[in-house]
Amino acid sequence: DVKVTQSSRYLVKRTGEKVFLECVQDMDHENMFWYRQDPGLGLRLIYFSYDVKMKEKGDIPEGYSVSREKKERFSLILESASTNQTSMYLCASSLPRGLVLFFGSGTQLSVL
Amino acid sequence: KQEVTQIPAALSVPEGENLVLNCSFTDSAIYNLQWFRQDPGKGLTSLLLIQSSQREQTSGRLNASLDKSSGRSTLYIAASQPGDSATYLCAVNSGGYQKVTFGIGTKLQVIP
Repeated sequence: DVKVTQSSRYLVKRTGEKVFLECVQDMDHENMFWYRQDPGLGLRLIYFSYDVKMKEKGDIPEGYSVSREKKERFSLILESASTNQTSMYLCASSLPRGLVLFFGSGTQLSVL
Repeated sequence: KQEVTQIPAALSVPEGENLVLNCSFTDSAIYNLQWFRQDPGKGLTSLLLIQSSQREQTSGRLNASLDKSSGRSTLYIAASQPGDSATYLCAVNSGGYQKVTFGIGTKLQVIP
């Protein structure tokens, strides 16, 4: 079975802090994604990566950056956390052509 | 721009009932449609994937159908159980991995 692991289930940070969210997958998938999920808005794509060191902006990239130095690891970075970035963050991976998406358990981030 | 709507937003049924969850989308030019289950505070678990050339997919007590021309998909759950209580989301892939649009979901409660 595919396993997508997110390093933290819950995270509390202060406004202005630099925040790193880590995601690791063990199935050699080329594609990796970061989404945020907010009540009433559903899942929105922040960034995705289709290969090592390759990244593309999603629908809401502002305030975020990403890093993919190794195929199995995709990191989301909040350069200066703000309260409107309080959300559930979900990492996903898939094979090329983006068929079945496999999700991690999510990180609930609170920015105070 | 693809829009995905799920109705109803919430549903409560007694144990043992058969039920149907609905998903509609505005652009019928899709690659595939995926149904997910999400437990509170958790990530998404893939249930069924229907390719655009298929009409339905079955897994155990679950059956998903797809009518591209009318922009609709249904998820049928037979003999519902309390363990089926969760939020069910559909996701439409309109053109590759970066164009997956999610519905907000239907929150299902199965009462013992």
